[in-house]
Amino acid sequence: AQSVTQLDSQVPVFEEAPVELRCNYSSSVSVYLFWYVQYPNQGLQLLLKYLSGSTLVESINGFEAEFNKSQTSFHLRKPSVHISDTAEYFCAASNTGFQKLVFGTGTRLLVSP
Amino acid sequence: DTAVSQTPKYLVTQMGNDKSIKCEQNLGHDTMYWYKQDSKKFLKIMFSYNNKELIINETVPNRFSPKSPDKAHLNLHINSLELGDSAVYFCASRLGETQYFGPGTRLTVL
Repeated sequence: AQSVTQLDSQVPVFEEAPVELRCNYSSSVSVYLFWYVQYPNQGLQLLLKYLSGSTLVESINGFEAEFNKSQTSFHLRKPSVHISDTAEYFCAASNTGFQKLVFGTGTRLLVSP
Repeated sequence: DTAVSQTPKYLVTQMGNDKSIKCEQNLGHDTMYWYKQDSKKFLKIMFSYNNKELIINETVPNRFSPKSPDKAHLNLHINSLELGDSAVYFCASRLGETQYFGPGTRLTVL
């Protein structure tokens, strides 16, 4: 069975600082990995995904994540955060068919001026 | 042009009551889901339907009964509400590997 671990429940950073949100997964089969973002009082939105190919994937708003099979990780990074990046970030995993997403417990990113 | 919509947005009710949450998607997707997000933000799948057929039931108490009248709608009926049912319930639809979430329904059971 798959599981996803996000060790950091909350990450406070100052605006324009770099940030890394950690995600580790366990799976005995092929795995596809996702980061979803939940802004306050909204539903989740897909931020980026790894399906195959290049292990470094990017989003349109400056986030990137790297699939590391040997470390079973898919950490999310941004070199310079904005106040508007304040949100809950969820790492998720799925296997072939994408029928079911298993979510981590989420990391709250708090960006302050 | 809302993609996945849910009604109501907020629902406050007494223990023991029966309530329903409605979900509609206008994306033309075949697969829809219900998730429960608890007070610690943990998100867990409850049900999944594909073209009106139940394909995932994650050992949810049978007080919860999903109904899909057509592939654009997936409603959730909850009987005999309990305090522990208080949560935010999200509906989602899926195309390929991507799920599209509704805005959520915050259910408070008093």
